[in-house]
Amino acid sequence: EIVLTQSPGTLSLSPGERATLSCRASQSVTSNYLAWYQQKPGQAPRLLIYGASTRATGIPDRFSGSGSGTDFTLTISRLEPEDFAVYYCQQYGSSPQTFGQGTKVEIK
Amino acid sequence: EVQLVESGGGLVQPGGSLRLSCAASGFTFNNYWMTWVRQAPGKGLEWVANIKQDGSEKHYVDSVQGRFTISRDNAKNSLYLQMNSLRDEDTAVYYCARGAIRWLARGGYFDYWGQGTLVTVSS
Repeated sequence: EIVLTQSPGTLSLSPGERATLSCRASQSVTSNYLAWYQQKPGQAPRLLIYGASTRATGIPDRFSGSGSGTDFTLTISRLEPEDFAVYYCQQYGSSPQTFGQGTKVEIK
Repeated sequence: EVQLVESGGGLVQPGGSLRLSCAASGFTFNNYWMTWVRQAPGKGLEWVANIKQDGSEKHYVDSVQGRFTISRDNAKNSLYLQMNSLRDEDTAVYYCARGAIRWLARGGYFDYWGQGTLVTVSS
């Protein structure tokens, strides 16, 4: 199975700053079938990005995804207070679907 | 509006059984792969099982193979997870989720999630 490694584990930033989250796959992700989710405490995950770079319905354009092959990035251009959360990547090009271990974006 | 509502969680002793349910509404249930994902306390997300639109194909993570059974009743717009021989390490919030890509094996990414139901395995 494909192992996804997210870095850093925790990102300490201030509102208004730019956040860059990395997701690296142990082998190439088929057709760049990679998604990103946001999860806040006590809530279910919410889909942000699919196909590596396509924003899901209703997701603000400050969220962007990029990358291909084994290296993917989620960028939040200017952090809003509601963006402090845990972010997970997931690949769905190979079975089984697998998740990264998550990156926590916390307020500095 | 798409809604997924899980139920059936609770406290169970090791070796016990529990059946989770997920009631779906707001979409044509039998058009989509459905999935169970779990999250142990303070941990990340783990795919558990998924089931094809007509129930003809099912897949499980190795750690639950032979103990858990996923099923669905398309007439009732419902997804189920029968959990037997429960272990301490099965303690988690269990989410049902919809596979977004109807034609892709196992449904692809997950575009809608329920709020989750907590399963605690403890003596």
